Amino acid sequence: QSALTQPAYVSGSPGQSIAISCTGTSSDVGSDRYVSWYQQHPGKAPKLIIYEVSNRPSGISDRFSGSKSGNTASLTISGLQAEDEAEYYCCSHAVGRILLFGGGTKLTVL
Amino acid sequence: QVQLVESGGGLVEPGGSLRLSCAASGFIFSDSYMSWIRQVPGRGLECISYISGSQDDVYYADSVKGRFTISRDNGKNSLYLQMNSLRVEDTGVFYCARDMGFGRYDPWGQGTLVSVSS
Repeated sequence: QSALTQPAYVSGSPGQSIAISCTGTSSDVGSDRYVSWYQQHPGKAPKLIIYEVSNRPSGISDRFSGSKSGNTASLTISGLQAEDEAEYYCCSHAVGRILLFGGGTKLTVL
Repeated sequence: QVQLVESGGGLVEPGGSLRLSCAASGFIFSDSYMSWIRQVPGRGLECISYISGSQDDVYYADSVKGRFTISRDNGKNSLYLQMNSLRVEDTGVFYCARDMGFGRYDPWGQGTLVSVSS
């Protein structure tokens, strides 16, 4: 069982916006600003798309945004495109420099 | 460009050993923390080990402590994972990644599959 809770599935139509939640505790997600998000296409390695809650690495589309409220972080994808169909994972730093991942959310673009 | 390439995976019997390698290029390897991350179907992602550039800061997850050893050769821009006493539950895809701190892994290698089965 993963320490961070994500919905198993989300879906949306092209052009729409969707949000994926990542719920932890006050010892991880709620403790600081170190939440990251990864996108993984089938058969490929995960790719960093958000770090430190809301920062995008160079080259990542501004359609991807992150936020956090209390013990829950969220990834929002706006203007949904077919290429966004993938698995998404959150990751949070926890007390003791432990890193926790969520169980993953499969995004389907209808 | 920044690139990581893993090798060394394969099929091994329970109790056996494997050594994974990760060749890095495109960044100052010796200045970088590096991590091994395992992906197991149904169990998600887990950072199982990391090592600092100077090799004085090393971490192992409880699931591999005492069985796996992480090392690096900065002269060869290479990261290694020696895996001993392998168990069926170690089966998965192993990725190396540059660890930029606090859950910021960028980039990742393509992954290498380790299958532990009799």
